[in-house]
Amino acid sequence: NAGVTQTPKFQVLKTGQSMTLQCAQDMNHEYMSWYRQDPGMGLRLIHYSVGAGITDQGEVPNGYNVSRSTTEDFPLRLLSAAPSQTSVYFCASSQGLFVNEQFFGPGTRLTVL
Amino acid sequence: SQQGEEDPQALSIQEGENATMNCSYKTSINNLQWYRQNSGRGLVHLILIRSNEREKHSGRLRVTLDTSKKSSSLLITASRAADTASYFCATVGKGSQGNLIFGKGTKLSVKP
Repeated sequence: NAGVTQTPKFQVLKTGQSMTLQCAQDMNHEYMSWYRQDPGMGLRLIHYSVGAGITDQGEVPNGYNVSRSTTEDFPLRLLSAAPSQTSVYFCASSQGLFVNEQFFGPGTRLTVL
Repeated sequence: SQQGEEDPQALSIQEGENATMNCSYKTSINNLQWYRQNSGRGLVHLILIRSNEREKHSGRLRVTLDTSKKSSSLLITASRAADTASYFCATVGKGSQGNLIFGKGTKLSVKP
């Protein structure tokens, strides 16, 4: 099993550009989530999904969109990139909410100029 | 908002010593989890302790939970240089939607 994969690993954008961060898992997990990690801030939840067709907002959803058309994929879209979105983005998955450990992808380092 | 706060923010020890990290949180929890993050990598789950448990062990890891003080500690015994990483506590709030809320982490450096 590949686990949780993310592409790209690095990305540089100009302010106002849009892009999609890809996330896929091959563990048949129902729950998937996106976090951003900023220096000294730990991880903050952006959006999450409890199954195909179901998404919800986390702590810092503004400026990001998600969709979940399949169990395996959970892309994160930046609509109009801003320098404040410079961060490292992690995708994670688990069997479900509450008592399950989460499996993390390797991260995407995004810089917005 | 951050639920957990780790203490200390940074810890430097010699190989073979024990490392203790603490986590305090604000609201009642369903469970508390500890994760490790090596530099530039994703997080790896270490251990989960439920709100009705007081102590758990996994190899060289020992986690305690004191719900009356809203705090947890992670002890790594006989540390190795390979334990150098950042360690995060994360909580699932009781009555919440079930998402993890992470603290800011403790950066552990183990010198050979």
